[in-house]
Amino acid sequence: GAVVSQHPSRVICKSGTSVKIECRSLDFQATTMFWYRQFPKQSLMLMATSNEGSKATYEQGVEKDKFLINHASLTLSTLTVTSAHPEDSSFYICSARDQRPPPDTQYFGPGTRLTVL
Amino acid sequence: QKEVEQNSGPLSVPEGAIASLNCTYSDRGSQSFFWYRQYSGKSPELIMSIYSNGDKEDGRFTAQLNKASQYVSLLIRDSQPSDSATYLCAVNRSGNQFYFGTGTSLTVIP
Repeated sequence: GAVVSQHPSRVICKSGTSVKIECRSLDFQATTMFWYRQFPKQSLMLMATSNEGSKATYEQGVEKDKFLINHASLTLSTLTVTSAHPEDSSFYICSARDQRPPPDTQYFGPGTRLTVL
Repeated sequence: QKEVEQNSGPLSVPEGAIASLNCTYSDRGSQSFFWYRQYSGKSPELIMSIYSNGDKEDGRFTAQLNKASQYVSLLIRDSQPSDSATYLCAVNRSGNQFYFGTGTSLTVIP
């Protein structure tokens, strides 16, 4: 299967700071990447769909000015949590859509655990 | 109606038994179907994909798809304690439209 990396794997920051998370497709090009968050013992929640070279599409209720997404290349998407607060503490997971031999498949990165103090 | 529905469980099976996980979806136009495994504290990992009616086998795993009934299942033969995880069913309608179920928690009892 395809490989997706995420960096950092874990970050602790103070309230009010911004945190950038990188998502990379290592062995394929991904025109589309997805950003999810997951709270403990809860299901995945899609935050936004990131398309290379265009603006991200945010799910209802997700503040686009707080969660900035940039998909500047076919192998890299970034999520910046701006002015982070303790309630933003969560497990953030990206995935990338692999459009090589069918079917189109999502492969997930290992996730980033964010703790805001 | 949710796009993808799964029984949240927990489902418990003894070691060596067959675990059967089920999923239904609402859109008849859905094209491809996936099972992911998620261990606690980790991200989802793809186990299998299927897009034709019938069975698809990969080792101890068998995915079954019935488009007429809008039903997809995952069978795990000879279940092992290491199979204990949450299993996510996902459906792709087309393009970027992927939908995930809330997952079924499986515990394999030694």
